[in-house]
Amino acid sequence: RKEVEQDPGPFNVPEGATVAFNCTYSNSASQSFFWYRQDCRKEPKLLMSVYSSGNEDGRFTAQLNRASQYISLLIRDSKLSDSATYLCVVTRNTGGFKTIFGAGTRLFVKA
Amino acid sequence: DTAVSQTPKYLVTQMGNDKSIKCEQNLGHDTMYWYKQDSKKFLKIMFSYNNKELIINETVPNRFSPKSPDKAHLNLHINSLELGDSAVYFCASSQDRSGGQYEQYFGPGTRLTVT
Repeated sequence: RKEVEQDPGPFNVPEGATVAFNCTYSNSASQSFFWYRQDCRKEPKLLMSVYSSGNEDGRFTAQLNRASQYISLLIRDSKLSDSATYLCVVTRNTGGFKTIFGAGTRLFVKA
Repeated sequence: DTAVSQTPKYLVTQMGNDKSIKCEQNLGHDTMYWYKQDSKKFLKIMFSYNNKELIINETVPNRFSPKSPDKAHLNLHINSLELGDSAVYFCASSQDRSGGQYEQYFGPGTRLTVT
């Protein structure tokens, strides 16, 4: 079982839709959590950090549930430009500092 | 103005050759990383350096040898290339080494094809 798991998708949604992605992590010692975005044939870029209290950045809302060990990303009012792969990222500092990337969830937003 | 740059962007070579990929960051970060993204798009860390010191070395064949001449540069040398080495290699940097609280900035990637 991978340490960070995501539904690979693809999620195909119309413009304006609301879409949610979940990510689960297996190591309870995980410390920091992020969502990155990766466009086709491009490098990953930070979308947002995920805080215990939940946080929002425009149309994007991230939630962290430590008890259940999952992270979520909600995208409201989807735009064509939101089409990308969304990577769940977890870091921990046990037995050495590590950053673990999920395999990503692909999103296609259609006109 | 590029924050993290890598050269070359594309690299096509034959099995058995030795090649290097260079990475430079102008962000003043102390920590740099090499990642491999395979055909299934899974991004996996290979190495991490903090201030020229190796701090992470995942289970990577010793044909891969990172070198950090200074904290702004982290190069990757690969000996005796194999077909399975074909992938996109990303360099990244971040402000800190512990806890991973800070964003990682990625270079544009080097697409390596071994024939």
